[in-house]
Amino acid sequence: QKEVEQNSGPLSVPEGAIASLNCTYSDRGSQSFFWYRQYSGKSPELIMSIYSNGDKEDGRFTAQLNKASQYVSLLIRDSQPSDSATYLCAPSEGAQKLVFGQGTRLTINP
Amino acid sequence: GAVVSQHPSRVICKSGTSVKIECRSLDFQATTMFWYRQFPKQSLMLMATSNEGSKATYEQGVEKDKFLINHASLTLSTLTVTSAHPEDSSFYICSTRGDNEQFFGPGTRLTVL
Repeated sequence: QKEVEQNSGPLSVPEGAIASLNCTYSDRGSQSFFWYRQYSGKSPELIMSIYSNGDKEDGRFTAQLNKASQYVSLLIRDSQPSDSATYLCAPSEGAQKLVFGQGTRLTINP
Repeated sequence: GAVVSQHPSRVICKSGTSVKIECRSLDFQATTMFWYRQFPKQSLMLMATSNEGSKATYEQGVEKDKFLINHASLTLSTLTVTSAHPEDSSFYICSTRGDNEQFFGPGTRLTVL
């Protein structure tokens, strides 16, 4: 059983719509949750971090965490072509060992 | 966030040679750095945790004698791929650990012919 599972891509969303990315994890000891964006050929860049149950908003991005369900999601509002990338979910105990999901490839269609 | 650099960004080498990759924390004293490997169309896999002044901790299945890690200062960790083979061709990425997050370097693309 995979430790971190993400919805399989590619996910295609029209420009201006909401993109919804999902992630489930198996390690109940995870306390910190990170969403990274990775463009092709580049290293990951941090988009959002969330530590408590509920929603966390940052600009067009909203992360949602439900520890009881071991579920974390990322919503991207008003999707732009520049949001086209692979999104990686990574739970962690602190900033120690990050365990990455396989990533969801998102394509925003103009 | 912290600024992390890697050198070289891209390297091509012959099979059997060794390649050294440097990871530098430019504005942050990093007692801990991480080394990841990413094969095409796959996710990042942690190879080892590099601790300043002590031996690195390797993940299961990663050969410590093949992937030599040295973290001699608070700003520099190096990964040496010894006797590289074509199957070692990959994207190698380092990161430093901040208070609650990791900051990634730009990565090194290794191609072994």
